[in-house]
Amino acid sequence: DSGVTQTPKHLITATGQRVTLRCSPRSGDLSVYWYQQSLDQGLQFLIQYYNGEERAKGNILERFSAQQFPDLHSELNLSSLELGDSALYFCASSPRRQGAETQYFGPGTRLLVL
Amino acid sequence: AQSVTQLGSHVSVSEGALVLLRCNYSSSVPPYLFWYVQYPNQGLQLLLKYTSAATLVKGINGFEAEFKKSETSFHLTKPSAHMSDAAEYFCAVSDENQGAQKLVFGQGTRLTINP
Repeated sequence: DSGVTQTPKHLITATGQRVTLRCSPRSGDLSVYWYQQSLDQGLQFLIQYYNGEERAKGNILERFSAQQFPDLHSELNLSSLELGDSALYFCASSPRRQGAETQYFGPGTRLLVL
Repeated sequence: AQSVTQLGSHVSVSEGALVLLRCNYSSSVPPYLFWYVQYPNQGLQLLLKYTSAATLVKGINGFEAEFKKSETSFHLTKPSAHMSDAAEYFCAVSDENQGAQKLVFGQGTRLTINP
């Protein structure tokens, strides 16, 4: 158990819908990262937050957005969903924002868009 | 930008045999390198990481990796494979461009252990 929790574990929805994925980082970790894992794209970085502020964006679509709240939990919002958005979405956390730090991954949310 | 390449999307070894999973990196600065393992229907778990303290890094479950700057490699090895090692393995490099600390992953290597 990494200490990172993600809800829900599974999500099935239809095209055009909007969903929210939730992540609680390890106690004391200030950085939260979101990654998408799909068969065709592999593991791709989406976005990073540090202590409530956006730090970096990766290959994140404009239909996707995220935020980190004062209690440090984070939410990833996916809207106007398409079939290609079906993937495993991971949240990770680390203590601060140093490259040598280990990122601890949650169990993921498996999204299926029908 | 940093990148990693994992040679071999599938590796199959016999139980008790040497495990060798290959990873080459591309980085303009001294890299921080990681190996993660993903068991079926689970998240990623850190096996080991290189942060320039020592070139030979020992990790969990008997795995180790050697950083070779001249070869830009960070291959993962285990002397004797166990059935429980069957999983997908990811090599990653930390990209700190413009204040970000994202991980850039290779495509993964699926390890199968034959009894």
